[in-house]
Parts: sequence; structure tokens; C-alpha cells
Amino acid sequence: NAGVTQTPKFQVLKTGQSMTLQCAQDMNHEYMSWYRQDPGMGLRLIHYSVGAGITDQGEVPNGYNVSRSTTEDFPLRLLSAAPSQTSVYFCASSYVGTANSPLHFGNGTRLTVT
Amino acid sequence: SQQGEEDPQALSIQEGENATMNCSYKTSINNLQWYRQNSGRGLVHLILIRSNEREKHSGRLRVTLDTSKKSSSLLITASRAADTASYFCATDPPGGSYIPTFGRGTSLIVHP
Repeated sequence: NAGVTQTPKFQVLKTGQSMTLQCAQDMNHEYMSWYRQDPGMGLRLIHYSVGAGITDQGEVPNGYNVSRSTTEDFPLRLLSAAPSQTSVYFCASSYVGTANSPLHFGNGTRLTVT
Repeated sequence: SQQGEEDPQALSIQEGENATMNCSYKTSINNLQWYRQNSGRGLVHLILIRSNEREKHSGRLRVTLDTSKKSSSLLITASRAADTASYFCATDPPGGSYIPTFGRGTSLIVHP
């Protein structure tokens, strides 16, 4: 049981480049989300989805796009990378509709934008 | 914005000692969860306590919740070097949004 898989583990981008962070889960979870983690800031929600075809913005959505075409996958796209997007990105998933369902996290993607 | 705030920000203890960390939050909640994050890894769920519960145990972990004070504590008894990690509280607001809000975490170092 792989759980939540994120790729790549590390990425270096130049300012202005675009890229997609991949996230896949094999637990049939309806809810998926993306967080960024910065020193001293904790985890901040970027975007989330409660099911295929449904996405919504979190606390810090600017500069990021998401789509949810399948239950399993929830990619995060950086359209034009900026140094302020240097961070560690975590994908998480859980059941929806079952109250009190804990989040399952991937191991993160460490992104550096130069 | 952070709903939960952990205290202290950092904690350093010797193996065998107990570690206590606290979480305060601002608005009413449906439940509160504690997560652990080892260096370079994702968060791992430890324990969930519902708003109508006051105390919960899981192995060496004891969590309390005081909704009147909007606070929770996580106690790790007989700590081990392997408990070295960051610990986060996350609150689920009422209304079934299923979107927990995380605090900034407590960094725990357990010296062997």
C-alpha cells in the first residue's frame, strides 16, 4: 500500500520556469490538498479538492493551479516560478463524509527557485 | 491563517523524561488532531480527540482537550530519542468542512 506518493522529491527551477508537482494516492480518498511549509510558518493550504472535477482555493493560492481529473491524482502547477515559491510542498488526502478522518501526507517535494 | 498555536516552539529533554506541548486555538472546533513530522518527511497522524472528549490515550501519548479554554495538550511519557520530531496540532472547524488548520509546531529534541 503506497499511500500518498509525491514526485519529484527535489527540484530546482529558474525564475519564470513552469513545472508540475505530482501527487497520487491509492486509498480512494475523496479529499486531496496541497500545503506549503516554510520555516516559522507551519503548513499553509494552497488548494484542495473534495472529489474529481472539484477544486477550491486555500489560504495561499496565488501562482498555483490545480486540477482533479481522477480520484487518484491531484497535480499542482507552478505557472511562472518565483523565488517566493521556494518551499517544501506536501500533498495530503483523506476521506470526506466520514467525520474526523485524519490526513495522510506524502513525503514532500523540496523546491528551490533561483 | 493559523488557528492552532503550539507552545513551546522548541523543547529539549533527556531520554526517559516526559514531554508536554500545548496547543491553543481561537474558534470552536469539531475535533483536534496531533501530527508528528520527522526531519525530511511528511506529517504522520498521531491521535484525534473530538470536541466532546476530554482525554484520550494511545500508547505513550496522552492528549487532553479543554474546550472552555480552547486548548489541548500532548504528553509523551518516557520519551525516547526516536521521539525527536516536530509536533503539530490541527483543528477541524464545525460544519463538516474537513479542512484542518495547522499550527506552527513544537520542535522536540530528546537527547539519548
